[in-house]
Amino acid sequence: QKEVEQDPGPLSVPEGAIVSLNCTYSNSAFQYFMWYRQYSRKGPELLMYTYSSGNKEDGRFTAQVDKSSKYISLFIRDSQPSDSATYLCAKRGSGGSNYKLTFGKGTLLTVNP
Amino acid sequence: GAGVSQSPSNKVTEKGKDVELRCDPISGHTALYWYRQRLGQGLEFLIYFQGNSAPDKSGLPSDRFSAERTGESVSTLTIQRTQQEDSAVYLCASSRGLAGVDTQYFGPGTRLTVL
Repeated sequence: QKEVEQDPGPLSVPEGAIVSLNCTYSNSAFQYFMWYRQYSRKGPELLMYTYSSGNKEDGRFTAQVDKSSKYISLFIRDSQPSDSATYLCAKRGSGGSNYKLTFGKGTLLTVNP
Repeated sequence: GAGVSQSPSNKVTEKGKDVELRCDPISGHTALYWYRQRLGQGLEFLIYFQGNSAPDKSGLPSDRFSAERTGESVSTLTIQRTQQEDSAVYLCASSRGLAGVDTQYFGPGTRLTVL
């Protein structure tokens, strides 16, 4: 089983919709998770970072970690065409390898005007 | 300020040739990373440099891959005797090298195509 699994989509929604993006992870010891956004032909940029469990909100974006089910989610409210991108979940390594990020395959999102 | 830059942006080469990819990190960032992104796959960690410490090369897929970094600046990733399966986007990232949350900032990548 891969450490982080992500449904690649693609996902297409109308403008204004609530978007839910999800990943699962294999080891309940994982604690640090990130969501990156990658526009076409660009490098990924960090959207949100969460530690352990619970919710973290930043504007229209909410990141959620459910440790009991080993599930991480990113919700986008009032989605905009400018949100169209690939969204990558990632987990940070532990101990002496905490610099090492492991990514899911990414979910391609299109928000239609 | 300037972000991470990579060159070339695109590289087409023939199977068996050597290629060299360049990364200029953000000024002052002591940590530098290389990742590979193959079509339909997630980013794969390749190598990590932190200051003058020995690099973590654990992600390099074969001995045809090598990387160097000059001090805390430019890094080059070299692929010898390229194979078609090396075709991918090679991404470089840099960070401040902090002990806690240490955000990695990515460059735009070099798209490598091996014919």
